[in-house]
Amino acid sequence: EVQLVQSGAEVKKPGESLKISCKGSGYSFTSYWIGWVRQMPGKGLEWMGIIYPGDSDTRYSPSFQGQVTISADKSISTAYLQWSSLKASDTAMYYCARRGIAARFFDPWGQGTLVTVSS
Amino acid sequence: AIQLTQSPSSLSASVGDRVTITCRASQGISSALAWYQQKPGKAPKLLIYDASSLESGVPSRFSGSGSGTDFTLTISSLQPEDFATYYCQQFNSYLLTFGGGTKVEIK
Repeated sequence: EVQLVQSGAEVKKPGESLKISCKGSGYSFTSYWIGWVRQMPGKGLEWMGIIYPGDSDTRYSPSFQGQVTISADKSISTAYLQWSSLKASDTAMYYCARRGIAARFFDPWGQGTLVTVSS
Repeated sequence: AIQLTQSPSSLSASVGDRVTITCRASQGISSALAWYQQKPGKAPKLLIYDASSLESGVPSRFSGSGSGTDFTLTISSLQPEDFATYYCQQFNSYLLTFGGGTKVEIK
């Protein structure tokens, strides 16, 4: 079974750093893109960026460029989303999702990681 | 970046109703559009890809159509489990974008 399993909920203070993870299983991790999607409380879905673990090719939405870093460790089939200095406005649910090379959809999705940033 | 405008943003419907949701792209995207369903507290679930292809396991009451700039998601006979929020997403450019969502509520 193809699965993406994300790391658990986080509670952080403004200014702290954070790295959340998304582990793929049941497929060749290096042959599919992994995307990240933000959902702020009560709001819609926002595409943040995407990485191809096979060669670490990474693309960012202009809205998130410079605000987060997307990376992957293909040796452990895991993609990451990280912040160097969190803000209260980063409070949201974050999802990872898989995209095939030529596919025009995301499937499956991870279960989501809730990040809460509060002083 | 390509903008996707969904309408309506919310609707109320009864079980058995036919429901149509529209997604309009700011420029032509061929058939590079997917539709997702999201229930409260859950991750989105793929329903339709390539504008009109039904994902395996998705009930046939769901259908998608359109190409270029105008797309629709239709639920032919709304079921209790279909009350959720629906999103479109375009894959025409590397800058992927989502529509704002349509919340389908019980009338």
